[in-house]
Amino acid sequence: AQSVTQPDIHITVSEGASLELRCNYSYGATPYLFWYVQSPGQGLQLLLKYFSGDTLVQGIKGFEAEFKRSQSSFNLRKPSVHWSDAAEYFCARGNFNKFYFGSGTKLNVKP
Amino acid sequence: DAMVIQNPRYQVTQFGKPVTLSCSQTLNHNVMYWYQQKSSQAPKLLFHYYDKDFNNEADTPDNFQSRRPNTSFCFLDIRSPGLGDAAMYLCATSRVGSGTSYEQYFGPGTRLTVT
Repeated sequence: AQSVTQPDIHITVSEGASLELRCNYSYGATPYLFWYVQSPGQGLQLLLKYFSGDTLVQGIKGFEAEFKRSQSSFNLRKPSVHWSDAAEYFCARGNFNKFYFGSGTKLNVKP
Repeated sequence: DAMVIQNPRYQVTQFGKPVTLSCSQTLNHNVMYWYQQKSSQAPKLLFHYYDKDFNNEADTPDNFQSRRPNTSFCFLDIRSPGLGDAAMYLCATSRVGSGTSYEQYFGPGTRLTVT
């Protein structure tokens, strides 16, 4: 069965530090992979997506993610975290009209 | 700007009293989805419409129904809300077809409280 795993439930980083959020997906054909961010009480906002081509994808708000087929991973990174990045982050795998979400990683940012 | 709109943003209903949540989109997407999201959990897909075709998830309770009268609008009806139905309800849309990458665009959600 298709699945997405986010091994870290909570992560705390200091403002200005670098960030990496992990995401692993189960085997399948070339996956369509996404990262979404959700602020409290809000809907999900698409940060970036991968479905083919360059394995390093750039997104909004200074985020990037790297697709590694050999590791079945699609980790999200940001070189310098801002306090406004505190939110919950969801990795998702999509195929024809269905999404599989990871359980989410809550990011706290220390001043 | 093209977007997904949900009304109301906050809805309070009584136990057992039917309630309808509304979603509209200006993206002209052919697929619309309804998700239920409880606190600190991932969104859970309830059902989706691919054009006019309704697709129910196997574990969606019968208490939840949906209508899509046209491309732009989709409604979620909860016939007899229970306390366990209190959650955030998210509407999303996507364009599914040749050459698309299936990303979903989400509305801001409706927070449902059941008293």
